[in-house]
Amino acid sequence: GESVGLHLPTLSVQEGDNSIINCAYSNSASDYFIWYKQESGKGPQFIIDIRSNMDKRQGQRVTVLLNKTVKHLSLQIAATQPGDSAVYFCAENKGKGAQKLVFGQGTRLTINP
Amino acid sequence: ETGVTQSPTHLIKTRGQQVTLRCSSQSGHNTVSWYQQALGQGPQFIFQYYREEENGRGNFPPRFSGLQFPNYSSELNVNALELDDSALYLCASRRAGGPETQYFGPGTRLLVL
Repeated sequence: GESVGLHLPTLSVQEGDNSIINCAYSNSASDYFIWYKQESGKGPQFIIDIRSNMDKRQGQRVTVLLNKTVKHLSLQIAATQPGDSAVYFCAENKGKGAQKLVFGQGTRLTINP
Repeated sequence: ETGVTQSPTHLIKTRGQQVTLRCSSQSGHNTVSWYQQALGQGPQFIFQYYREEENGRGNFPPRFSGLQFPNYSSELNVNALELDDSALYLCASRRAGGPETQYFGPGTRLLVL
């Protein structure tokens, strides 16, 4: 099915280090991108989003970068904590009118103590 | 918590049976989307409901159908269940005309035997 591509399926980082999760998207016409975090047994939790008219957006400990030239999206997590361990999904909105989010397969982030 | 609730949390059915899953959207959210998430995969868009009508559909057969009620709650119905329908079913809500962010419920885990 449709999917937004991810560069790495797993990522392990030391507690306190910064994490960078990458994502490639295919539709240059997509105008909205979003990162979700999914913990085991739970639904996806919104982290941060960005529209195509921006190239960077910051939240609390998280930053999303959008490079439309190479159709690349990244999520940076500063000073990772054990609670950041989860699967992270990027998604793009491919809908016109109806919002149809297309998700990638996800990156599993593991924080080592 | 997102304020989106789903029931039941888990369900076991046999092949050929029918199932109904339920979703209550976050207060003030009038748009509900349903997603199917197979194990180890990202969510796949099934359809979206707005003003009690289907407002966009993904690549799912007609045996996947839905309803939205005046209070914006929603049902997902799946007829003639197949083994491959085993998955986590997620609903997400947002307010049409408001922020594009979709907020997900915890999901219903369906196992088809």
